[in-house]
Amino acid sequence: NAGVTQTPKFRILKIGQSMTLQCTQDMNHNYMYWYRQDPGMGLKLIYYSVGAGITDKGEVPNGYNVSRSTTEDFPLRLELAAPSQTSVYFCASSVAGGLNEQFFGPGTRLTVL
Amino acid sequence: KQEVTQIPAALSVPEGENLVLNCSFTDSAIYNLQWFRQDPGKGLTSLLLIQSSQREQTSGRLNASLDKSSGRSTLYIAASQPGDSATYLCAVLLRSNDYKLSFGAGTTVTVRA
Repeated sequence: NAGVTQTPKFRILKIGQSMTLQCTQDMNHNYMYWYRQDPGMGLKLIYYSVGAGITDKGEVPNGYNVSRSTTEDFPLRLELAAPSQTSVYFCASSVAGGLNEQFFGPGTRLTVL
Repeated sequence: KQEVTQIPAALSVPEGENLVLNCSFTDSAIYNLQWFRQDPGKGLTSLLLIQSSQREQTSGRLNASLDKSSGRSTLYIAASQPGDSATYLCAVLLRSNDYKLSFGAGTTVTVRA
């Protein structure tokens, strides 16, 4: 049981480039989330999904897109990368919302130059 | 809007001393509160989850208390060890948004041998 896995671990992008951050969970969790963590700050929610085919915006969705075609996968797409998107990105999952614990992946460290 | 604050931002103690980490939140209508540990360059590991109906939760040397009426939680780590050095984050889940964790910025702990 690998839990939540994320790829890549590190990436450097040039301004204007695009990329997809991958997230997979093998716990059959319905809810999945994408967060970003800026230095010295708490995590902020970018997008979340309550099940395959359903996604919704969090606090800071601008500049990102997501899709959820399967229960296991929840990729995050960056279009036209900007320096303000330099951050560490974490994917998480939970059985449902409410009383359930969220499990986090190891993160992707992204630098946009 | 839920605001979560952790004070102090950093803490350094000698090995063997008990650690007391504080978390405060502004909206007491929460589902639960989670304490996480984050090691440098790594993801988040869940330490304890306290449901809104509970007053405390214990795991080994860790004990977390919750006082919803005053909007506070405290994480106690007994007999600290150098391996406890990490950043500790608290996060609350609001009843009105059962998918969205609101995070504090964390307390970075150094335990000196």
